[in-house]
Amino acid sequence: DGGITQSPKYLFRKEGQNVTLSCEQNLNHDAMYWYRQDPGQGLRLIYYSQIVNDFQKGDIAEGYSVSREKKESFPLTVTSAQKNPTAFYLCASSYGEGSGELFFGEGSRLTVL
Amino acid sequence: AQTVTQSQPEMSVQEAETVTLSCTYDTSENNYYLFWYKQPPSRQMILVIRQEAYKQQNATENRFSVNFQKAAKSFSLKISDSQLGDTAMYFCAFRYNAGNMLTFGGGTRLMVKP
Repeated sequence: DGGITQSPKYLFRKEGQNVTLSCEQNLNHDAMYWYRQDPGQGLRLIYYSQIVNDFQKGDIAEGYSVSREKKESFPLTVTSAQKNPTAFYLCASSYGEGSGELFFGEGSRLTVL
Repeated sequence: AQTVTQSQPEMSVQEAETVTLSCTYDTSENNYYLFWYKQPPSRQMILVIRQEAYKQQNATENRFSVNFQKAAKSFSLKISDSQLGDTAMYFCAFRYNAGNMLTFGGGTRLMVKP
């Protein structure tokens, strides 16, 4: 089955630690995205990538970093510089620019202890 | 920059009845797309329906339909014959014609009661 796989589903982190969230897709999509979701709020864009080896900051990129070395993979690192990292993180992908629909993974819940 | 507003944080409806969720947006562009996404308790986002701004006809997908008022910048979702499985968060989203980045509203939590 084609889809987007995020791991881990739940992650606990101590303050000051970096953590990396995995996102893999086998849909042959060119574009991939990371969104953050907080309780009572909509999704906010962290980073996105339209092609391999290229990515752009979204609305709330501070304290996060990404890489896009392969078309299928778009990992997100939550660094210690992110002041309030506890949130639900959603990865998405789509065909090239102008294609419309985003397909989402099941999300990763990060809790900072 | 565009903004998307969902003014109803929570709503409830009896099973088999009809409910309408509201969404307004602000943009100076003429060509864009609008979406409604559903997020059930499993947390995975699922596309419910989409509308291209250049189309005057309102989109329909089975029990789901929209009322797209371009001049008023309004994009409401109507769910007919509500089912228990419709219980979820519903997000309205906007995208320019060029590019793929979605801007989401704050969401409406819908509870369908038996």
